[in-house]
Amino acid sequence: GIQVEQSPPDLILQEGANSTLRCNFSDSVNNLQWFHQNPWGQLINLFYIPSGTKQNGRLSATTVATERYSLLYISSSQTTDSGVYFCAVDNSGGSNYKLTFGKGTLLTVNP
Amino acid sequence: NAGVTQTPKFQVLKTGQSMTLQCAQDMNHEYMSWYRQDPGMGLRLIHYSVGAGITDQGEVPNGYNVSRSTTEDFPLRLLSAAPSQTSVYFCASSYHDQGREIGELFFGEGSRLTVL
Repeated sequence: GIQVEQSPPDLILQEGANSTLRCNFSDSVNNLQWFHQNPWGQLINLFYIPSGTKQNGRLSATTVATERYSLLYISSSQTTDSGVYFCAVDNSGGSNYKLTFGKGTLLTVNP
Repeated sequence: NAGVTQTPKFQVLKTGQSMTLQCAQDMNHEYMSWYRQDPGMGLRLIHYSVGAGITDQGEVPNGYNVSRSTTEDFPLRLLSAAPSQTSVYFCASSYHDQGREIGELFFGEGSRLTVL
């Protein structure tokens, strides 16, 4: 099956710093999604981004499907950005419809 | 609009007991799925459904059973619980056009299961 690798596995920032999280995948995909899991365990969808660039406030994401990677940018980080960031890819084909998740990047933003 | 609702939030079982994790969504989503989350493993797909009466296996289906009798509900059954099934379980749903990709995925709040 498709492999999804996220880097870095852990990241520690001071409040106000910028960061870039990366998601590499091993095969062509139909779409890609980014999620944030907060320290209380809730999973929130950040971006649905099969290709191109999207922005939502201080967060933006870029997917280059032809080169099999996606980047999540966090600018002016805040302590509330702490948590785990997952990317998930959909390479559904035929009668299979599955999202495959990476293992995540644990982000800690210190005040 | 409650989104995706899971119950119970916490459960402790003894080895060999059975139980059902409930999942309901009120967004008229065709696609529903169950994941388990274990430390260092990310989220792994257990079972999914693309509509009422249609279910299929994910990456880690053994020991779990599902059914989809309505669009709204997608229960996950543990037939004979084992300690290896201790995990946090998430239900998720999205819109889905038959034959096309999965849409934006929405998650429930999770159910923490401990099997002793």
